[in-house]
Amino acid sequence: GESVGLHLPTLSVQEGDNSIINCAYSNSASDYFIWYKQESGKGPQFIIDIRSNMDKRQGQRVTVLLNKTVKHLSLQIAATQPGDSAVYFCAESRGNTPLVFGKGTRLSVIA
Amino acid sequence: GAVVSQHPSRVICKSGTSVKIECRSLDFQATTMFWYRQFPKQSLMLMATSNEGSKATYEQGVEKDKFLINHASLTLSTLTVTSAHPEDSSFYICSAVPGRSYGYTFGSGTRLTVV
Repeated sequence: GESVGLHLPTLSVQEGDNSIINCAYSNSASDYFIWYKQESGKGPQFIIDIRSNMDKRQGQRVTVLLNKTVKHLSLQIAATQPGDSAVYFCAESRGNTPLVFGKGTRLSVIA
Repeated sequence: GAVVSQHPSRVICKSGTSVKIECRSLDFQATTMFWYRQFPKQSLMLMATSNEGSKATYEQGVEKDKFLINHASLTLSTLTVTSAHPEDSSFYICSAVPGRSYGYTFGSGTRLTVV
């Protein structure tokens, strides 16, 4: 079946370094992608989104890259801070259909 | 704007009892809300789509008679876990889409523990 998945289940980075979290998706019909951050015991927090007509979008300290050719999505976090430690999920949808979530990557920032 | 309030945040109940979880859109109307379940160290799995004024749509493998969904108004959807068992212990999260634009807003989740 079609699914959204992640390459790396865990990622440890030094404080101040850049982080890159990757995600693969298989539904070529998906046209909207979102990255969420989830801290322990809390609901997902929106980070950044991108539509399929774009290949890059930047936010504050975060950048999302979309490669539709290989169905790959990545989240780049610049100057990673301890507060960035959390589980990060990519999610995809088509139109306003329910989001399908990837497995998640735990980011640990080493001070 | 676009806030979804979920209540309670934590609940402990005895096996066999029922628990109701509320999901409210505070500053927008939501004709559709989504209910997810998340087990420890796992991703969010869609349980059902709640539709205002009509029956919910359940994902394959989700028992509609066990997880009762009511979406009686444009700002409130409820999920009732009936005859709860320890295996129902999980983190339940609701989501809504404000208006016609893309974007999904999530509640803060409900940690259900069945003892």
